[in-house]
Amino acid sequence: NAGVTQTPKFQVLKTGQSMTLQCAQDMNHNSMYWYRQDPGMGLRLIYYSASEGTTDKGEVPNGYNVSRLNKREFSLRLESAAPSQTSVYFCASSRMWGANTEAFFGQGTRLTVV
Amino acid sequence: GESVGLHLPTLSVQEGDNSIINCAYSNSASDYFIWYKQESGKGPQFIIDIRSNMDKRQGQRVTVLLNKTVKHLSLQIAATQPGDSAVYFCAENLSGTSYGKLTFGQGTILTVHP
Repeated sequence: NAGVTQTPKFQVLKTGQSMTLQCAQDMNHNSMYWYRQDPGMGLRLIYYSASEGTTDKGEVPNGYNVSRLNKREFSLRLESAAPSQTSVYFCASSRMWGANTEAFFGQGTRLTVV
Repeated sequence: GESVGLHLPTLSVQEGDNSIINCAYSNSASDYFIWYKQESGKGPQFIIDIRSNMDKRQGQRVTVLLNKTVKHLSLQIAATQPGDSAVYFCAENLSGTSYGKLTFGQGTILTVHP
């Protein structure tokens, strides 16, 4: 049982380049999330998808877009990468929205923008 | 549980001791709290959760205490082991319009010495 799988694990981009971070979960969860984690800090919510077909902004959405491709997959896109987007990105999923259930996290994508 | 800049609070204990990690949460409307453990290079892993209608919840070797009066959460780890060394995050789930989204604290580094 893979849980939450993120690809790639590592990526280096030049300023202005674009890329998409992929996330897939096999737990039949309804809700999915993208967080970023900067050194010495907790996770901050970028975007979330409460259910298939819906997406909403989190705490730090600027510079990102998301797509809930289907129930399993939730991608995060950087259209024009900036050094300030250097971070570790975590995808997470939870069984239900607003039901106080735990979120399961992927292993993270370490992104460096030079 | 407070941190300044990039410097996370740290806790060093000897193997076999009990550990207590503290967290101050910010929003009195929060109604669900989770403790996560994050090992180096990995995503956060669920440890234990508690709802706001409870003061205490116990798991295997872990206990979470919630004091709503002072908005304080603590994680107690009994008989701490070297494998418990990690960064520990508390997270709160806000009720109302933000229901379902977790807000993370900045984390505490736990180091267990054999």
